[in-house]
Amino acid sequence: GQNIDQPTEMTATEGAIVQINCTYQTSGFNGLFWYQQHAGEAPTFLSYNVLDGLEEKGRFSSFLSRSKGYSYLLLKELQMKDSASYLCAGTNDYKLSFGAGTTVTVRA
Amino acid sequence: DTGVSQDPRHKITKRGQNVTFRCDPISEHNRLYWYRQTLGQGPEFLTYFQNEAQLEKSRLLSDRFSAERPKGSFSTLEIQRTEQGDSAMYLCASSLTGATNEKLFFGSGTQLSVL
Repeated sequence: GQNIDQPTEMTATEGAIVQINCTYQTSGFNGLFWYQQHAGEAPTFLSYNVLDGLEEKGRFSSFLSRSKGYSYLLLKELQMKDSASYLCAGTNDYKLSFGAGTTVTVRA
Repeated sequence: DTGVSQDPRHKITKRGQNVTFRCDPISEHNRLYWYRQTLGQGPEFLTYFQNEAQLEKSRLLSDRFSAERPKGSFSTLEIQRTEQGDSAMYLCASSLTGATNEKLFFGSGTQLSVL
C-alpha cells in the first residue's frame, strides 16, 4: 500500500507563491500525481512526475525526489480561482492512492 | 461531452435500501476505477477493471458492494442494504493503458446520502 502525507490547509495572498509538500511511503511506487479539486467537483489532473526533478507547466510546477519519498507542488502568481483542494497521489502500475488533500485558500 | 459520465449526480435513500450507480468512461479507455470520497478526505480506492475483468477490490469493500463492467464499457456499482456510513461521493475514473503518464480522468461523481 501507500501512505501519503500532506498538510491539511494553507492560506496565501493573491499574487503570492505557495508550496504544498507531500511525503509518501510506498510499495511498488511508479510515479507521483497532483490533482486539483474544487468543492463539489471532480479531481482534475495537474501534473505527473516519474523522474527526479522539477516539471514546470505554466504557473504550476511539481518536484519529485524518489530517494527522499518527497514531492511538492508549487503554485505561482496565485489567483482567486486557485482556491481548491490539491491532492497528492502515488501510483503503482495501475492504481492511484491519494492523500487527504491540502485545502488552499487564496485571499485578496 | 467526451468525458467520464456518472449517473445520477445525487441520490438520497433510506437506510436498508439498495442503490445502483452508473459510470460511462471515456470510450477508448480500457481501465475503469471506482473511488469513494468523504468530506475533507482524498478519494479512496474501491475497485478496478481492465476491460470487463475486475482485477482488484479494496478490503474496504464489504460484501454489500458489487461492481460490474459487463461489456468492458460502462460500469455499475451497487450497494445493498445501505447504511448511514455509506454516505459519500462515489467517483468513477477511467484511463488508457500505455498512455503517457496514464492519468485518471474522473467523472463528477454521485453524491449518496443515506438517511
